[in-house]
Amino acid sequence: AQSVTQPDIHITVSEGASLELRCNYSYGATPYLFWYVQSPGQGLQLLLKYFSGDTLVQGIKGFEAEFKRSQSSFNLRKPSVHWSDAAEYFCAVVSYNAGNMLTFGGGTRLMVKP
Amino acid sequence: GAGVSQSPSNKVTEKGKDVELRCDPISGHTALYWYRQSLGQGLEFLIYFQGNSAPDKSGLPSDRFSAERTGGSVSTLTIQRTQQEDSAVYLCASSLQVRIGETQYFGPGTRLLVL
Repeated sequence: AQSVTQPDIHITVSEGASLELRCNYSYGATPYLFWYVQSPGQGLQLLLKYFSGDTLVQGIKGFEAEFKRSQSSFNLRKPSVHWSDAAEYFCAVVSYNAGNMLTFGGGTRLMVKP
Repeated sequence: GAGVSQSPSNKVTEKGKDVELRCDPISGHTALYWYRQSLGQGLEFLIYFQGNSAPDKSGLPSDRFSAERTGGSVSTLTIQRTQQEDSAVYLCASSLQVRIGETQYFGPGTRLLVL
């Protein structure tokens, strides 16, 4: 069965600093990978997704992610963090066998220092 | 246009009572999904609908949980004889169709507290 691991439960960065959130997946074939963001009291918003092709994917709000098959990783990056980026971030992989079901990682809570 | 809506936003109930959670998907979306977000289990998939049909109910945590969808639109998740471990945020999502990688759009969730 597929799985997703986000090794960092909490990360704190200073506003304006760069950010990298880690995501590792376990899946037999080429995975379909997603990053979602959840602000307090809100639902999940899609940041970006990877299916195939170019391994560097651009998303909304200035985020990007790079798929590395050799490392089974799909890390999320942003060059300069804004205070409004403080939220919880979830990496997810989709299941081929269960109607597009998403399997999520445990999430990484991002705090931004002024 | 309108996104996915869920009601109620918050629900407090007593152990043993039944609750109904409602999801209104984006108009025209044939696929609908229910997830649960809890402190202990993280985000977990419960069930999905293709139209009014739920092909696989194995993700539901127990037989106290049931879900239905009518008219290819609104869905209701029912929890009978609630237990304290049912306390969680229940998220609904919809997508245009059930197709691998189709983007799922999430609602704000229903926060359920069982006392």
